[in-house]
Amino acid sequence: AQSVTQLGSHVSVSEGALVLLRCNYSSSVPPYLFWYVQYPNQGLQLLLKYTSAATLVKGINGFEAEFKKSETSFHLTKPSAHMSDAAEYFCAVSDQAGTALIFGKGTTLSVSS
Amino acid sequence: DVKVTQSSRYLVKRTGEKVFLECVQDMDHENMFWYRQDPGLGLRLIYFSYDVKMKEKGDIPEGYSVSREKKERFSLILESASTNQTSMYLCATRWGGYNYGYTFGSGTRLTVV
Repeated sequence: AQSVTQLGSHVSVSEGALVLLRCNYSSSVPPYLFWYVQYPNQGLQLLLKYTSAATLVKGINGFEAEFKKSETSFHLTKPSAHMSDAAEYFCAVSDQAGTALIFGKGTTLSVSS
Repeated sequence: DVKVTQSSRYLVKRTGEKVFLECVQDMDHENMFWYRQDPGLGLRLIYFSYDVKMKEKGDIPEGYSVSREKKERFSLILESASTNQTSMYLCATRWGGYNYGYTFGSGTRLTVV
């Protein structure tokens, strides 16, 4: 069965600092991996997805993630945090049959000035 | 772009009521999903459907049922609402072939009193 683990339910950074949100997955087949962002009182917005093309995936708002098969990881990074990045972030996995997305429990990112 | 519309943004219902949550997608996609989102638990799959009149249980189907009479509409039904079903409910659809993705609705925040 597939599963996703997001390390750290809360991450706090200063404005301008590196953002690193951790995600590890478990899958018996090559996965598709996704990062979503949710701003307060809004739905989920896709940040980026990995579909076995390139291991380094660039997304919206300056975010990127690197697929590392040996570590079963798909960590999300941004070089310089902005106040507007404060939100909840979800990592998710699906297999290539594309049934349902399996989500991690989420990481809340706080950005201080 | 794929659009997923959930008919109600906020709902307040009484314990024991039968509750219908409606979701409509605009692109004739086959796969649709209902998730429940709770703080600290992420998104958990309730039910999904891969075609009209077809449905599969997700991870937490107890207390819920679904209906899919037309391809564009996927309804979540709470037969007898209980306070522990107070939550945010998110509908999604899967689109695309090899390079697939998922689009989510804005969510329905249900309060059962």
